[in-house]
Amino acid sequence: DVKVTQSSRYLVKRTGEKVFLECVQDMDHENMFWYRQDPGLGLRLIYFSYDVKMKEKGDIPEGYSVSREKKERFSLILESASTNQTSMYLCASSLRDRGGGGRHFGDGTRLSIL
Amino acid sequence: RKEVEQDPGPFNVPEGATVAFNCTYSNSASQSFFWYRQDCRKEPKLLMSVYSSGNEDGRFTAQLNRASQYISLLIRDSKLSDSATYLCVALDPSWGKLQFGAGTQVVVTP
Repeated sequence: DVKVTQSSRYLVKRTGEKVFLECVQDMDHENMFWYRQDPGLGLRLIYFSYDVKMKEKGDIPEGYSVSREKKERFSLILESASTNQTSMYLCASSLRDRGGGGRHFGDGTRLSIL
Repeated sequence: RKEVEQDPGPFNVPEGATVAFNCTYSNSASQSFFWYRQDCRKEPKLLMSVYSSGNEDGRFTAQLNRASQYISLLIRDSKLSDSATYLCVALDPSWGKLQFGAGTQVVVTP
């Protein structure tokens, strides 16, 4: 069974801090994704990666960056956290050629920026 | 305008009853559609894909109406365990990006 593990379930940080959210998958998936989920807005794609050291902007990349140094790990970085980045963050992975049915999600990180 | 729109609900359904709800999508080029289920404070999980001819998986039936650009989900003989938020998803064909709806909440009551 595919396991996508996010480093924290709940996280509280302060405005201006640099925040790291870590995601690890154990099924050798090529694709990895970071979403944020907000009430009434659904999941929105922040960044994704189709290979090691490769990254592409999603719909809302502003204020975020990512790192994929190893295939199994995809990190989301909030360069200088702001209160409007308070949200639920979901990491997902999939095989290269799998479409929407192949997304496996982590449990999510509920991030609060004070 | 959102790419995928859903009625947020909640749809309150007595146990054993049938419930159905739709979602609309704006990109007429979308070819693939999915329903994901998300339990409270949990991650989304794939419920079923939606095929052009419609498909059924046990008590769940998904339909696609390309002319009107909507997909539907019907749940028969509702169980308490069906209480969840159902996310409608369309695959953008240009680069394989998923567009998620905000979800429809279903609450099955005893």
